Amino acid sequence: GQQLNQSPQSMFIQEGEDVSMNCTSSSIFNTWLWYKQEPGEGPVLLIALYKAGELTSNGRLTAQFGITRKDSFLNISASIPSDVGIYFCAGPLSAGGGADGLTFGKGTHLIIQP
Amino acid sequence: DAGITQSPRHKVTETGTPVTLRCHQTENHRYMYWYRQDPGHGLRLIHYSYGVKDTDKGEVSDGYSVSRSKTEDFLLTLESATSSQTSVYFCAISVADTTYEQYFGPGTRLTVT
Repeated sequence: GQQLNQSPQSMFIQEGEDVSMNCTSSSIFNTWLWYKQEPGEGPVLLIALYKAGELTSNGRLTAQFGITRKDSFLNISASIPSDVGIYFCAGPLSAGGGADGLTFGKGTHLIIQP
Repeated sequence: DAGITQSPRHKVTETGTPVTLRCHQTENHRYMYWYRQDPGHGLRLIHYSYGVKDTDKGEVSDGYSVSRSKTEDFLLTLESATSSQTSVYFCAISVADTTYEQYFGPGTRLTVT
């Protein structure tokens, strides 16, 4: 399957700071998804991107589909304590199309220091 | 809320015993998936289903089988559990054939001793 590399692995930030994380792929994607997972729960879909160069927001979250189609970025503005969690990028497992499963990055663990 | 429930939520079993995990959805979505999540590996696809009695393998299908006899239920079976199958298992659904957006259940934590 296609491999996704997320960075950074973890982030220690102060409340109110902006956060940036990214995800790169070894091959071209036609879809990028960003999920958030909190302890003991399943991943929750935050943003879906379908077009190279696309910039999509969901409240304080903004994600971009890189123009090379091999990367995507997630930004969180003015972080608050409830932003704590693990953020995953994901994309289609195969290039064949259809809903045949996702491949995930290993996640960025966001920790907010008081 | 995508109306997905998983049972059991926690299970401890011994090596060599069979285990079945259940995923139930209330909205008649065609596509359902089983993933496992392990530290350092993110989520990996085990099997998926694109309709009743229609299933296919994912990235890490060895040691697992699935069945889907009704639209609403997707079962994952470990025929003979091994310690390497200790993991958190997530079920997911896709709301349409033409989208990759998936929605996840709450997970089942399985420990094989």
